[in-house]
Amino acid sequence: NAGVTQTPKFQVLKTGQSMTLQCAQDMNHEYMSWYRQDPGMGLRLIHYSVGAGITDQGEVPNGYNVSRSTTEDFPLRLLSAAPSQTSVYFCASRQGQGKNYGYTFGSGTRLTVV
Amino acid sequence: AQTVTQSQPEMSVQEAETVTLSCTYDTSESDYYLFWYKQPPSRQMILVIRQEAYKQQNATENRFSVNFQKAAKSFSLKISDSQLGDAAMYFCAYMRRQLTFGSGTQLTVLP
Repeated sequence: NAGVTQTPKFQVLKTGQSMTLQCAQDMNHEYMSWYRQDPGMGLRLIHYSVGAGITDQGEVPNGYNVSRSTTEDFPLRLLSAAPSQTSVYFCASRQGQGKNYGYTFGSGTRLTVV
Repeated sequence: AQTVTQSQPEMSVQEAETVTLSCTYDTSESDYYLFWYKQPPSRQMILVIRQEAYKQQNATENRFSVNFQKAAKSFSLKISDSQLGDAAMYFCAYMRRQLTFGSGTQLTVLP
């Protein structure tokens, strides 16, 4: 099992550029989420999905869009990158219930906006 | 909104000794989960231990154990027989439907 796969691992963008961070999971998990990690602030929730076709905003959604057309994929789009979006981004997934309740994380994407 | 507080930004422990990392949280819910995640320099988020709020028994995973005090909303992590490989950032997290993280504790293990 690959688990949660994020691409790319590193990216440098210029202010105003757009890009999509990819996230895929092969565990048939219902729930998927995107987090950003900034120094001294832990991980903060950007957007999440409870199933295909269903998405919702988290704590810091501004400047980001998501969609969930399949169970496996949950891409995060930056429409017009800003320096404030420089961060490490994590995608995570979990099943709805069961004894292994908890999130599995991807390896992260380090994004720098210049 | 739920909040998770880790009041120790940095801690250090001598190899083979025991260290306890503190975490408090705020919630009005009675049914939830609590987690400790480890993040080494590779930045991978690794689940260390999980606690269900409805269980009174404290969770244990090998050298890692928790002290879960539901009424006090406290969830500390004890690492016994500390090893050099335990050096990492440790995050406490609360989950009802989504994870809410604390700000982390950077643990240094001294040889």
